[in-house]
Amino acid sequence: EAGVVQSPRYKIIEKKQPVAFWCNPISGHNTLYWYRQNLGQGPELLIRYENEEAVDDSQLPKDRFSAERLKGVDSTLKIQPAELGDSAVYLCASSPGTFNEQFFGPGTRLTVL
Amino acid sequence: AQSVSQHNHHVILSEAASLELGCNYSYGGTVNLFWYVQYPGQHLQLLLKYFSGDPLVKGIKGFEAEFIKSKFSFNLRKPSVQWSDTAEYFCAVTKINAGNNRKLIWGLGTSLAVNP
Repeated sequence: EAGVVQSPRYKIIEKKQPVAFWCNPISGHNTLYWYRQNLGQGPELLIRYENEEAVDDSQLPKDRFSAERLKGVDSTLKIQPAELGDSAVYLCASSPGTFNEQFFGPGTRLTVL
Repeated sequence: AQSVSQHNHHVILSEAASLELGCNYSYGGTVNLFWYVQYPGQHLQLLLKYFSGDPLVKGIKGFEAEFIKSKFSFNLRKPSVQWSDTAEYFCAVTKINAGNNRKLIWGLGTSLAVNP
C-alpha cells in the first residue's frame, strides 16, 4: 500500500512569491492534516479536513495561506505571498478516523530567501 | 492552555543504556496518547499509542510506555537502547471534549543520540 505522497520535496523561493504544496493521502483515509514543523519543534497543525470539509483551520494564517481538498482526496496548500518566516517543513498526514494513528508524508522543505 | 511537556530536549546515551523519556500533559479529561518517532531523513511514524485498557503499552522496536492517569504522564521507556534508536521522539495527546470534539496537541520533541 502506498503511503502519503507529497510534492515537491524541496522548494526554494524568494519572498513575496507564491508557492503550492500537494498531498495525496492513503487511499480510504477520510481525515487529512497539514502541519508546519520548524527545526527543533513539534508539528503545528495548520488545517484538518474530514473528507472535503475543513473542520479545523483555526491555526491557518488566512491572510496568506489557503488550502483545498476537492473531492475529498488530494489536497493543496498554498502560500501567497511567502514571507521569510514561512521557511519550514510542511507535512501532510492522513488517518482513517479523526486523530487515530496518523500516517505522515515525507514533507516539503520550504526555504524563503 | 492545554499543553504537552517533554522534559528532556536532548538526551545522549551509550548503547545498552536504559531510556526513559518524560511526557506530561495538562488536560484532565479523556485523552488518547501517542508517541511518534522520526529517524534521521525519514517520515514521522507511530511508535505506540494508548486509547484505553492496560495502561502499559507495548510498541515497535522494544519500546513501551506507561499511562499514569494520576500523574498525567505517558513516559516512554526502553530497557536497552541501540545506535539505531537515534531519532527525534514526539509525544502527542488528543483531548476529547464534550460532543466527541477532538484536538491533538504535540510536545516539542526529544532528540535522542545513542553513541555506539
